[in-house]
Amino acid sequence: RKEVEQDPGPFNVPEGATVAFNCTYSNSASQSFFWYRQDCRKEPKLLMSVYSSGNEDGRFTAQLNRASQYISLLIRDSKLSDSATYLCVAQTFNQFYFGTGTSLTVIP
Amino acid sequence: NAGVMQNPRHLVRRRGQEARLRCSPMKGHSHVYWYRQLPEEGLKFMVYLQKENIIDESGMPKERFSAEFPKEGPSILRIQQVVRGDSAAYFCASSPFGGEISYEQYFGPGTRLTVT
Repeated sequence: RKEVEQDPGPFNVPEGATVAFNCTYSNSASQSFFWYRQDCRKEPKLLMSVYSSGNEDGRFTAQLNRASQYISLLIRDSKLSDSATYLCVAQTFNQFYFGTGTSLTVIP
Repeated sequence: NAGVMQNPRHLVRRRGQEARLRCSPMKGHSHVYWYRQLPEEGLKFMVYLQKENIIDESGMPKERFSAEFPKEGPSILRIQQVVRGDSAAYFCASSPFGGEISYEQYFGPGTRLTVT
């Protein structure tokens, strides 16, 4: 079983739409979680950390459910520039486990 | 405000040659991670190093691959006798902390290795 699993998509949404991504992790000992975005053939860029209480950064909201071992990312009012692959990450001790990513395309 | 630097950005090697990939972490960061990303796949952890120490190399292939992070200079990922299956993007990330502390990693632009 993979450490981190994501729906690969693709998600194709119109500008202005709200889109949600979910991710599950298998190791209950995982202590920290993050969302990264990766543009085609570029390096992953940190989008936000995910806290137990949930956190928001502008149009982006991240949630963590430890009981169900899943993490979510909500993007409101989608922009064309949001088109990218979104990577869910779980940190377990020294290691960071990346999901394979969810592809998002925002359509004009 | 230099971020994580990697060089070369692109590297072409013939089968059997050696590849050396370099990574300079962000200023103030003493923890370095190497990842490999194959086309259409996620990032796979390879090795975690601090200055002069390999902390976790559980993701490294047992043969042909080695990594170091000397007291002075960049971290080096070395692949000996490359094969076509080594063709991938290799990313380095750095962080200011390590161990069980929650921390964020920042990635370099990657080195794209092509083995012909």
